[in-house]
Amino acid sequence: DIVMTQSPDSLAVSLGERATISCKSSQSVLYSSNELNYLAWYQHKPGQPPRLLIYWASTRESGVPDRFSGSGSGTDFTLTISGLQPEDVAVYYCQQYYSSTFTFGPGTKVDIK
Amino acid sequence: EVQLVESGGGLVQPGGSLRLSCAASGFRFSDFWMTWVRQAPGKGLEWVATLKQDGSENFHLDSVKGRFTISRDNAKTSLALQMNSLRVEDTAIYYCARVRLRGSSPYEAFDFWGQGILVTVSS
Repeated sequence: DIVMTQSPDSLAVSLGERATISCKSSQSVLYSSNELNYLAWYQHKPGQPPRLLIYWASTRESGVPDRFSGSGSGTDFTLTISGLQPEDVAVYYCQQYYSSTFTFGPGTKVDIK
Repeated sequence: EVQLVESGGGLVQPGGSLRLSCAASGFRFSDFWMTWVRQAPGKGLEWVATLKQDGSENFHLDSVKGRFTISRDNAKTSLALQMNSLRVEDTAIYYCARVRLRGSSPYEAFDFWGQGILVTVSS
């Protein structure tokens, strides 16, 4: 199974500042035939269902603010929130969908400093 | 508007059974792979099972294989998760979700999620 790790476990960022979350996979999630990274990012707030933010490692889902961006390839990925807003307080998960175990990372909690 | 509404959760004793349902609307249900994801108290998200449009192909988390079965009724636009031999560690909020994009591949992100339903396994 592909194991996903995230760092840090939590971080606190001042309003308007940048938050950066790292995600690593135990094996590459880059499919060579189409050059796509099978990696998604989700935002999860208490009492709400998870929300898809990013897929294919860097494609923003419709309706997601452009302050959210994803980057990386192979085994190393980053979610960046440029200009943190109060409504961004949540837990963020990366997920691989390269293999049929569809594993999630352990999550990173983002708070306001 | 895409809507997914779970039902069937509750309290069950270890070793017992429960059947979760997910009522889908707002999209052509029969065109999409569907999936179940859970979140145990204080823990992260864990994928549970995924099912093809016609029910002919499925994947299950190793720890639920032989105990949980994902199924669907396209005529009723409904997804189900039959859970048998439940364990305390199966206690979680269970989410029904849609696999993004119509098509033959399950290897996509999950784009719409239900609100979730709580399953508690306890004596």
